[in-house]
Amino acid sequence: SQQGEEDPQALSIQEGENATMNCSYKTSINNLQWYRQNSGRGLVHLILIRSNEREKHSGRLRVTLDTSKKSSSLLITASRAADTASYFCATDEYDSWGKLQFGAGTQVVVTP
Amino acid sequence: DGGITQSPKYLFRKEGQNVTLSCEQNLNHDAMYWYRQDPGQGLRLIYYSQIVNDFQKGDIAEGYSVSREKKESFPLTVTSAQKNPTAFYLCASRGTVGEKLFFGSGTQLSVL
Repeated sequence: SQQGEEDPQALSIQEGENATMNCSYKTSINNLQWYRQNSGRGLVHLILIRSNEREKHSGRLRVTLDTSKKSSSLLITASRAADTASYFCATDEYDSWGKLQFGAGTQVVVTP
Repeated sequence: DGGITQSPKYLFRKEGQNVTLSCEQNLNHDAMYWYRQDPGQGLRLIYYSQIVNDFQKGDIAEGYSVSREKKESFPLTVTSAQKNPTAFYLCASRGTVGEKLFFGSGTQLSVL
């Protein structure tokens, strides 16, 4: 079973707009991570937020975490065509040491 | 250069055949992972290993086997018991639990 579920499944925006995607998960976690995947390639780590953190920034990325709602959001500001990719959340489960589970992903298309 | 190397990039399996996917890392990481990705889907965990000579089943281990005899190597065998092996296979590693994953570039396995 997959721990995280992303919403929406797909997102199409224009360059310069912001992109927001959400991730919900089921069990207690130690941390939540966001990754990016270009078509047919391996994943690249974007940002990690620990269970005791509520918000984190990295460049044009902003991640929030609400452990009471078991949800996280990833905001990409001022999007560029190069941001076109699939984005996945992944959770380090609290009760399963070392088990890192991924969600189904959000496919983002940024048009010039 | 440090990183994770997966080989081959493309692999074809005949009916009843076992095939082995290679994953090697020179990052001195303790933990290694195998994920399966079907088209347009998220990543599903097959097996993971936190330390040499030890590994745990993920959510879809049936039809697969692994070994972890060396720290830098975590090969995955897709056995003939796996009836639907066509997928993109991703290997990843990290220093320890709670850290980010580093991914290889993947192996596309197809059935002849």
